[in-house]
Amino acid sequence: GQQVMQIPQYQHVQEGEDFTTYCNSSTTLSNIQWYKQRPGGHPVFLIQLVKSGEVKKQKRLTFQFGEAKKNSSLHITATQTTDVGTYFCPYPDLGYSTLTFGKGTMLLVSP
Amino acid sequence: EAQVTQNPRYLITVTGKKLTVTCSQNMNHEYMSWYRQDPGLGLRQIYYSMNVEVTDKGDVPEGYKVSRKEKRNFPLILESPSPNQTSLYFCASSLQRGGSYEQYFGPGTRLTVT
Repeated sequence: GQQVMQIPQYQHVQEGEDFTTYCNSSTTLSNIQWYKQRPGGHPVFLIQLVKSGEVKKQKRLTFQFGEAKKNSSLHITATQTTDVGTYFCPYPDLGYSTLTFGKGTMLLVSP
Repeated sequence: EAQVTQNPRYLITVTGKKLTVTCSQNMNHEYMSWYRQDPGLGLRQIYYSMNVEVTDKGDVPEGYKVSRKEKRNFPLILESPSPNQTSLYFCASSLQRGGSYEQYFGPGTRLTVT
């Protein structure tokens, strides 16, 4: 069945450094979403990517969906302490009924 | 304000004592879901509901029950809680199919079973 691996599981950066997390699938995905969960908080939707090769930006965050729709990435430019949290890239099942979240990438930013 | 609410937010209970965690949304969403979050295991789906009276198992349904009698409510029932159900639980809702639309999460319920 479908499975998406997210890497890295954990990253610690200095404030101002860039950060990227990757989600790689063995099969073609219909879409992929990105969520952020702050420490002690709940997951919050960031974006959904649907089209092959799609690139979307939200301020310092850049989201990409691969040409083959098998991988996606989230890049944060010049991290800030407010970027701390766990980032998830959930993907839908074949019937679009559910999202599988996985373990996410935990980002720690030191000032 | 559009939101998903959960109660209680924190609960400590003993093995075998039935409990219910309530979840309610005010966005008229068709889809609702329960997840549990454990260190090192990420977010895993317990049950979901595509609409009133329609529920289905997620990845880890054992030991849990749900019901969807009204569109806005989706309670999670633990009939005989065990220590391995100690976890952080999240309820979520979305407009329609959970795989196609943004999901809105509740604040979470931290459950400890001793």
